[in-house]
Order: sequence, then structure tokens, then C-alpha cells
Amino acid sequence: GQQLNQSPQSMFIQEGEDVSMNCTSSSIFNTWLWYKQDPGEGPVLLIALYKAGELTSNGRLTAQFGITRKDSFLNISASIPSDVGIYFCAGPSGNKLVFGAGTILRVKS
Amino acid sequence: SAVISQKPSRDICQRGTSLTIQCQVDSQVTMMFWYRQQPGQSLTLIATANQGSEATYESGFVIDKFPISRPNLTFSTLTVSNMSPEDSSIYLCSVRRAQETQYFGPGTRLLVL
Repeated sequence: GQQLNQSPQSMFIQEGEDVSMNCTSSSIFNTWLWYKQDPGEGPVLLIALYKAGELTSNGRLTAQFGITRKDSFLNISASIPSDVGIYFCAGPSGNKLVFGAGTILRVKS
Repeated sequence: SAVISQKPSRDICQRGTSLTIQCQVDSQVTMMFWYRQQPGQSLTLIATANQGSEATYESGFVIDKFPISRPNLTFSTLTVSNMSPEDSSIYLCSVRRAQETQYFGPGTRLLVL
């Protein structure tokens, strides 16, 4: 089945730094989704991308749908302590979602 | 989006027992899903809860172990049967909205001793 390769696995950054993470697939996706999961919570949808080349922002977050439709990236600018959590990329496969392994983000204040 | 609640939020159970998890959505939805998230892992789909018919299970998950009910378009239950410590996970329900987005409940944290 389809698999998503997400990197990096984890990041430990200084408050105020920018963060970049990405997701790649061996097959084409028509939609890319980015979620954040806080400790003890369910994943929350951050950004949804529907068109190749699309660049979408949500506050300090920016995500892009790669033009090959096989990759996507998420950037966080000027990180703050509440950005801590696990970030997942996901894409639809039939009726279900396929998830990346997640990127654990830790922020030093 | 959608407002989704799950009960219980967490539980500690003895091996060999069963636990039923409830998922309630604030509006009618066609598609509801149940996921498992093992410690330190990503999300894995258990099954699609179909209203009025049997759930559709993913490879590696069976109805005898994870029976699912979907009596209407706003509610579903997942039972984890004959539990063992390997069933210790977070169990999440989700609903599908427009354009293939899914929204998740807060999860049920299960520890099996």
C-alpha cells in the first residue's frame, strides 16, 4: 500500500528558530494534510492542501503541495514553546488516511 | 470541522476483560473511523464504521477482537475484547468531512495490566 516517509524524526530547537519538516511518497497523492498532536490529545488538522504547487499559510505555519504530487513540506516560523508536539503528514488512500511516522518537535526557551 | 467526544478518556483494565469506547459527533456524518496509536507510534486504521452494516476492517484487525457498532450517523462504539497488555494504546475515532479531511476525537488512553 501507499507509505509516507516523514523527516526528520525529531527536532530540538531554540525558541525563535524556524522549523522545516517534509513528507515524501513513492506514489501520487491528490491531497496532503498536516496534523499536530499535543501530549494527551487527538491530532488536530493544521493545513489541508488540494492542488499541486499550492502554498497555504495558517498563522506562523506554511505548507506546500509539491509539484510532483509526491511530497509536501511544513514550515513553522519563529517557534514558540507551545509549538511542542508531534506533527503528522497524511494523505488519502481510498476512503482512509495514510499517516507519516511523525516529527517530534521540542523547543528550548 | 466537527466536535467529537470520546468516553472514557482513559482507563486501566485487567487482562482478559473488555472495554467499550464511545464516540459522539455533534452532527451527522457518513464516514466514521477507528484508529489505534501504540506508544510512540503513528496512527493505524482499525476499521471504518458503517451505519446500518458491518464495519470494514483493515488487515490485521478482526471483528471478534474489535467489534464495532454504528447505530446512527452521530454515534459509534469500539470494543476491545479479551484484552492483553499489547492492547495498551490510544484509541481514536475520526470523521470524514469535505475534501477528504478527517477530524479526530480526543482519544481514549487504555492501559492493560
